[in-house]
Amino acid sequence: DTAVSQTPKYLVTQMGNDKSIKCEQNLGHDTMYWYKQDSKKFLKIMFSYNNKELIINETVPNRFSPKSPDKAHLNLHINSLELGDSAVYFCASSPMIQETQYFGPGTRLLVL
Amino acid sequence: QKEVEQNSGPLSVPEGAIASLNCTYSDRGSQSFFWYRQYSGKSPELIMFIYSNGDKEDGRFTAQLNKASQYVSLLIRDSQPSDSATYLCAVRNSGYSTLTFGKGTMLLVSP
Repeated sequence: DTAVSQTPKYLVTQMGNDKSIKCEQNLGHDTMYWYKQDSKKFLKIMFSYNNKELIINETVPNRFSPKSPDKAHLNLHINSLELGDSAVYFCASSPMIQETQYFGPGTRLLVL
Repeated sequence: QKEVEQNSGPLSVPEGAIASLNCTYSDRGSQSFFWYRQYSGKSPELIMFIYSNGDKEDGRFTAQLNKASQYVSLLIRDSQPSDSATYLCAVRNSGYSTLTFGKGTMLLVSP
Protein backbone atom coordinates (compact mmCIF):
# COMPACT_ATOMS: atom_id res chain seq x y z
CA ASP A 1 0.00 0.00 0.00
CA THR A 2 2.87 2.33 -0.91
CA ALA A 3 1.64 5.91 -1.20
CA VAL A 4 4.34 7.52 -3.37
CA SER A 5 6.74 5.14 -5.09
CA GLN A 6 9.78 5.75 -7.25
CA THR A 7 11.87 3.55 -9.50
CA PRO A 8 14.69 2.87 -9.56
CA LYS A 9 15.86 3.32 -5.98
CA TYR A 10 19.51 3.53 -7.06
CA LEU A 11 20.93 4.58 -10.40
CA VAL A 12 24.64 4.54 -11.26
CA THR A 13 25.58 5.66 -14.75
CA GLN A 14 28.27 7.25 -16.86
CA MET A 15 28.52 10.88 -17.85
CA GLY A 16 26.74 11.63 -21.09
CA ASN A 17 24.12 8.91 -20.72
CA ASP A 18 20.36 9.49 -20.74
CA LYS A 19 18.26 8.07 -17.89
CA SER A 20 14.69 8.18 -16.59
CA ILE A 21 13.19 8.06 -13.11
CA LYS A 22 9.56 7.09 -12.60
CA CYS A 23 7.13 8.16 -9.90
CA GLU A 24 3.66 6.92 -9.09
CA GLN A 25 1.22 7.90 -6.36
CA ASN A 26 -1.88 5.97 -5.35
CA LEU A 27 -3.27 8.69 -3.07
CA GLY A 28 -5.56 10.24 -5.64
CA HIS A 29 -3.65 13.51 -5.41
CA ASP A 30 -3.88 16.14 -8.13
CA THR A 31 -0.41 17.65 -7.79
CA MET A 32 3.02 16.05 -8.12
CA TYR A 33 6.55 17.41 -7.72
CA TRP A 34 10.17 16.64 -8.37
CA TYR A 35 12.81 17.78 -5.86
CA LYS A 36 16.59 17.49 -5.93
CA GLN A 37 18.55 17.01 -2.69
CA ASP A 38 22.26 17.61 -3.14
CA SER A 39 25.21 16.33 -1.12
CA LYS A 40 24.70 19.13 1.42
CA LYS A 41 21.15 17.88 1.98
CA PHE A 42 19.60 21.00 0.47
CA LEU A 43 16.16 20.11 -0.92
CA LYS A 44 15.09 22.20 -3.89
CA ILE A 45 11.96 22.14 -6.05
CA MET A 46 12.50 21.38 -9.73
CA PHE A 47 9.05 20.90 -11.26
CA SER A 48 5.42 20.66 -10.31
CA TYR A 49 2.46 19.29 -12.24
CA ASN A 50 -1.20 19.75 -11.47
CA ASN A 51 -3.59 17.40 -13.25
CA LYS A 52 -0.93 16.60 -15.87
CA GLU A 53 -0.15 20.27 -16.52
CA LEU A 54 3.22 21.84 -15.74
CA ILE A 55 2.72 24.64 -13.22
CA ILE A 56 6.17 25.17 -11.75
CA ASN A 57 9.43 24.99 -13.65
CA GLU A 58 12.27 26.33 -11.56
CA THR A 59 15.64 27.20 -13.06
CA VAL A 60 16.57 23.72 -14.18
CA PRO A 61 18.76 22.86 -17.20
CA ASN A 62 16.66 21.84 -20.19
CA ARG A 63 18.42 18.46 -20.10
CA PHE A 64 15.77 17.66 -17.48
CA SER A 65 12.36 16.95 -18.96
CA PRO A 66 9.40 15.93 -16.82
CA LYS A 67 6.42 14.12 -18.25
CA SER A 68 3.06 13.36 -16.67
CA PRO A 69 1.07 10.77 -18.65
CA ASP A 70 -1.74 10.95 -16.09
CA LYS A 71 -2.20 12.60 -12.73
CA ALA A 72 -0.93 9.53 -10.84
CA HIS A 73 2.41 9.47 -12.64
CA LEU A 74 5.25 11.94 -13.04
CA ASN A 75 8.43 10.83 -14.73
CA LEU A 76 11.75 12.63 -15.04
CA HIS A 77 14.03 12.14 -18.04
CA ILE A 78 17.58 13.44 -17.91
CA ASN A 79 19.67 13.80 -21.05
CA SER A 80 23.47 13.99 -21.25
CA LEU A 81 24.05 13.35 -17.57
CA GLU A 82 26.74 15.40 -15.84
CA LEU A 83 28.71 14.82 -12.65
CA GLY A 84 26.78 17.61 -10.94
CA ASP A 85 23.53 15.75 -11.48
CA SER A 86 24.53 13.29 -8.77
CA ALA A 87 21.99 13.74 -6.01
CA VAL A 88 18.90 12.20 -4.49
CA TYR A 89 15.75 12.97 -6.48
CA PHE A 90 12.51 12.94 -4.55
CA CYS A 91 9.04 12.79 -5.99
CA ALA A 92 6.20 14.20 -3.89
CA SER A 93 2.46 14.65 -4.21
CA SER A 94 -0.28 16.72 -2.58
CA PRO A 95 -4.08 16.61 -2.76
CA MET A 96 -4.21 20.03 -4.37
CA ILE A 97 -1.69 22.75 -5.13
CA GLN A 98 -1.79 24.46 -1.76
CA GLU A 99 -1.81 21.40 0.43
CA THR A 100 0.65 19.26 2.35
CA GLN A 101 3.18 17.34 0.29
CA TYR A 102 4.08 13.68 0.81
CA PHE A 103 7.41 12.38 -0.37
CA GLY A 104 8.47 9.20 -2.13
CA PRO A 105 11.50 7.19 -0.97
CA GLY A 106 13.93 8.93 -3.32
CA THR A 107 16.16 7.85 -6.21
CA ARG A 108 19.87 8.01 -5.53
CA LEU A 109 21.61 8.98 -8.76
CA LEU A 110 25.38 8.71 -9.08
CA VAL A 111 27.02 9.92 -12.27
CA LEU A 112 30.56 8.67 -12.80
CA GLN B 1 15.36 35.50 -3.41
CA LYS B 2 13.04 33.75 -0.99
CA GLU B 3 15.09 32.19 1.79
CA VAL B 4 14.52 29.93 4.74
CA GLU B 5 17.27 29.87 7.33
CA GLN B 6 18.01 27.19 9.88
CA ASN B 7 20.98 26.53 12.12
CA SER B 8 22.60 23.41 10.69
CA GLY B 9 23.56 22.10 14.14
CA PRO B 10 24.03 19.53 15.37
CA LEU B 11 21.79 20.35 18.28
CA SER B 12 22.58 17.91 21.06
CA VAL B 13 20.12 17.30 23.90
CA PRO B 14 19.90 14.57 26.54
CA GLU B 15 17.02 12.14 26.53
CA GLY B 16 13.96 13.60 28.23
CA ALA B 17 14.91 17.23 27.57
CA ILE B 18 13.11 19.74 25.37
CA ALA B 19 14.63 20.28 21.93
CA SER B 20 14.00 23.68 20.33
CA LEU B 21 14.46 24.04 16.58
CA ASN B 22 14.24 27.44 14.94
CA CYS B 23 13.62 28.76 11.45
CA THR B 24 13.39 32.24 9.92
CA TYR B 25 12.05 33.13 6.49
CA SER B 26 12.39 36.12 4.20
CA ASP B 27 9.08 36.19 2.29
CA ARG B 28 6.71 38.27 4.42
CA GLY B 29 3.76 37.05 2.34
CA SER B 30 4.34 33.39 3.21
CA GLN B 31 1.14 31.66 4.20
CA SER B 32 1.91 28.21 5.53
CA PHE B 33 4.74 26.55 7.33
CA PHE B 34 5.79 22.94 7.65
CA TRP B 35 8.18 20.86 9.68
CA TYR B 36 9.53 17.68 8.12
CA ARG B 37 11.76 15.08 9.75
CA GLN B 38 14.35 13.27 7.66
CA TYR B 39 16.27 10.28 8.95
CA SER B 40 19.61 9.60 7.28
CA GLY B 41 19.08 7.96 3.91
CA LYS B 42 15.31 8.33 4.08
CA SER B 43 12.74 10.71 2.64
CA PRO B 44 11.29 13.71 4.45
CA GLU B 45 8.17 12.94 6.46
CA LEU B 46 5.71 15.56 7.63
CA ILE B 47 5.56 16.22 11.36
CA MET B 48 3.39 19.32 11.56
CA PHE B 49 2.09 22.29 9.65
CA ILE B 50 0.94 25.65 10.98
CA TYR B 51 -0.88 28.49 9.27
CA SER B 52 -1.82 30.91 12.06
CA ASN B 53 0.19 32.88 14.57
CA GLY B 54 0.59 31.16 17.91
CA ASP B 55 1.16 27.60 19.03
CA LYS B 56 -0.06 24.31 17.63
CA GLU B 57 0.44 21.15 19.64
CA ASP B 58 0.45 17.52 18.50
CA GLY B 59 1.61 15.01 21.08
CA ARG B 60 5.19 15.79 22.06
CA PHE B 61 5.53 18.34 19.25
CA THR B 62 4.61 22.04 19.37
CA ALA B 63 4.97 24.36 16.40
CA GLN B 64 5.13 28.09 17.09
CA LEU B 65 4.61 30.79 14.48
CA ASN B 66 5.27 34.52 14.70
CA LYS B 67 4.56 36.13 11.33
CA ALA B 68 5.56 39.61 12.51
CA SER B 69 9.04 38.33 13.33
CA GLN B 70 9.02 35.90 10.37
CA TYR B 71 9.92 33.11 12.73
CA VAL B 72 8.71 29.55 13.17
CA SER B 73 9.93 27.01 15.68
CA LEU B 74 9.42 23.38 16.63
CA LEU B 75 9.60 22.19 20.23
CA ILE B 76 10.02 18.51 20.99
CA ARG B 77 9.21 17.60 24.58
CA ASP B 78 10.60 14.52 26.31
CA SER B 79 13.12 14.01 23.51
CA GLN B 80 13.91 10.40 22.65
CA PRO B 81 16.95 8.93 20.87
CA SER B 82 14.55 8.00 18.06
CA ASP B 83 13.99 11.73 17.49
CA SER B 84 17.59 12.01 16.28
CA ALA B 85 17.25 13.17 12.67
CA THR B 86 17.46 16.26 10.50
CA TYR B 87 14.49 18.60 10.83
CA LEU B 88 13.56 20.59 7.74
CA CYS B 89 11.57 23.78 7.91
CA ALA B 90 9.53 24.49 4.77
CA VAL B 91 7.65 27.62 3.86
CA ARG B 92 4.96 28.00 1.22
CA ASN B 93 5.67 31.27 -0.48
CA SER B 94 3.14 33.85 -1.51
CA GLY B 95 1.71 33.37 -4.96
CA TYR B 96 1.93 29.86 -6.25
CA SER B 97 2.59 26.65 -4.43
CA THR B 98 6.36 26.50 -4.23
CA LEU B 99 7.74 25.13 -0.99
CA THR B 100 11.10 26.58 -0.01
CA PHE B 101 13.06 24.36 2.33
CA GLY B 102 15.71 25.32 4.83
CA LYS B 103 18.91 23.32 4.92
CA GLY B 104 17.77 21.53 8.04
CA THR B 105 18.94 21.22 11.63
CA MET B 106 20.46 17.95 12.76
CA LEU B 107 19.17 16.89 16.18
CA LEU B 108 21.06 14.37 18.30
CA VAL B 109 19.34 12.98 21.39
CA SER B 110 21.70 11.10 23.66
CA PRO B 111 20.45 8.31 25.98
